[in-house]
Amino acid sequence: KAGVTQTPRYLIKTRGQQVTLSCSPISGHRSVSWYQQTPGQGLQFLFEYFSETQRNKGNFPGRFSGRQFSNSRSEMNVSTLELGDSALYLCASSSAQNTEAFFGQGTRLTVV
Amino acid sequence: EDKVVQSPLSLVVHEGDTVTLNCSYEVTNFRSLLWYKQEKKAPTFLFMLTSSGIEKKSGRLSSILDKKELFSILNITATQTGDSAVYLCPLRGSGGGADGLTFGKGTHLIIQP
Repeated sequence: KAGVTQTPRYLIKTRGQQVTLSCSPISGHRSVSWYQQTPGQGLQFLFEYFSETQRNKGNFPGRFSGRQFSNSRSEMNVSTLELGDSALYLCASSSAQNTEAFFGQGTRLTVV
Repeated sequence: EDKVVQSPLSLVVHEGDTVTLNCSYEVTNFRSLLWYKQEKKAPTFLFMLTSSGIEKKSGRLSSILDKKELFSILNITATQTGDSAVYLCPLRGSGGGADGLTFGKGTHLIIQP
């Protein structure tokens, strides 16, 4: 059974650009959540989707957005990139509410 | 606002030692507490705890939850160098069916040969 797949694995962008990251959950999982990990702040919750609906959102500016498709794959978008957006972006998938969450390998975003 | 505090933040022990990692939390509406091991990138799932006093065990690792005192512990016996990692205990709380996890800073465990 394939795990959670995130693409791309590495990304370098310039300030002001926008970026789209992708997450394919474990087959059959309908919940996808996104997290930002930085050395200073640790892992912080960005948002969570279930059956194409955003159920919860963390304390991040509106430049961070996401969506989920009917096949449960999810994308997150960051517009007008800032240097501080450099981080490891992780997504996790769960089969249903309040069940085990499994993480992907992450996308390492570097903003220069 | 939900909160997780892990202690110690860093721990160095010798191979073969037993370690106990602590995780205390504040939550408005508790749903579950999970434990993960993070070595390089993806946190690897270890346990999910929802009920007090029921020990979850997997090989040399075990964990238990105390919902009255609002803490959980992760025990690792007969540690090996491969246990070196950051251990995380995120909390799933709040309401509305949302499944987002609240993380603490983690415990960085180093096992010396």
